[in-house]
Amino acid sequence: KNEVEQSPQNLTAQEGEFITINCSYSVGISALHWLQQHPGGGIVSLFMLSSGKKKHGRLIATINIQEKHSSLHITASHPRDSAVYICAVLNPGNQFYFGTGTSLTVIP
Amino acid sequence: EAQVTQNPRYLITVTGKKLTVTCSQNMNHEYMSWYRQDPGLGLRQIYYSMNVEVTDKGDVPEGYKVSRKEKRNFPLILESPSPNQTSLYFCASSLRQGLYNEQFFGPGTRLTVL
Repeated sequence: KNEVEQSPQNLTAQEGEFITINCSYSVGISALHWLQQHPGGGIVSLFMLSSGKKKHGRLIATINIQEKHSSLHITASHPRDSAVYICAVLNPGNQFYFGTGTSLTVIP
Repeated sequence: EAQVTQNPRYLITVTGKKLTVTCSQNMNHEYMSWYRQDPGLGLRQIYYSMNVEVTDKGDVPEGYKVSRKEKRNFPLILESPSPNQTSLYFCASSLRQGLYNEQFFGPGTRLTVL
């Protein structure tokens, strides 16, 4: 069973392109997190949200609770954005479920 | 520096030899968690702890034990490791669990069980 589905699995973009990564989930949630895993393996938290939209620099995250769907957008993509992006949902029982990640490569 | 540390970073062991992976945070966080990451399966939660002396099973707890005797430490114990526990393990912590509590991840421990 996959509580969290991400698409696409792999994405290659030219520098400057607008990028969208999608996340759909099937469980009730308290919050949704977007994580970034660097090529070296380290993981950092990008966003936590339960409704609406959040923006940090060139990154925007949106969530539609009714449709159980979230998107991560990257505007004006740059090679340093190359990483694996992971969607994670926190259920009301404080358990996390993760998508399998989207591997993004931005070509100069 | 605020951080989550894990030790060891790399470990190769043999089936059945008990091992412990340590996790420590210096941010006075209440919530701590262990995950394993496998190709094609992504991250999966093993155990988590809401606070000292409180631990709960995650999605894949079989073959693992944890303890939370102090707030800062959350060791992962494999009593009898098997090859299917070969994986990349991450410890993470957050101030508490809830919407606006960012998770901080450790650097990962790559475990190989022969």
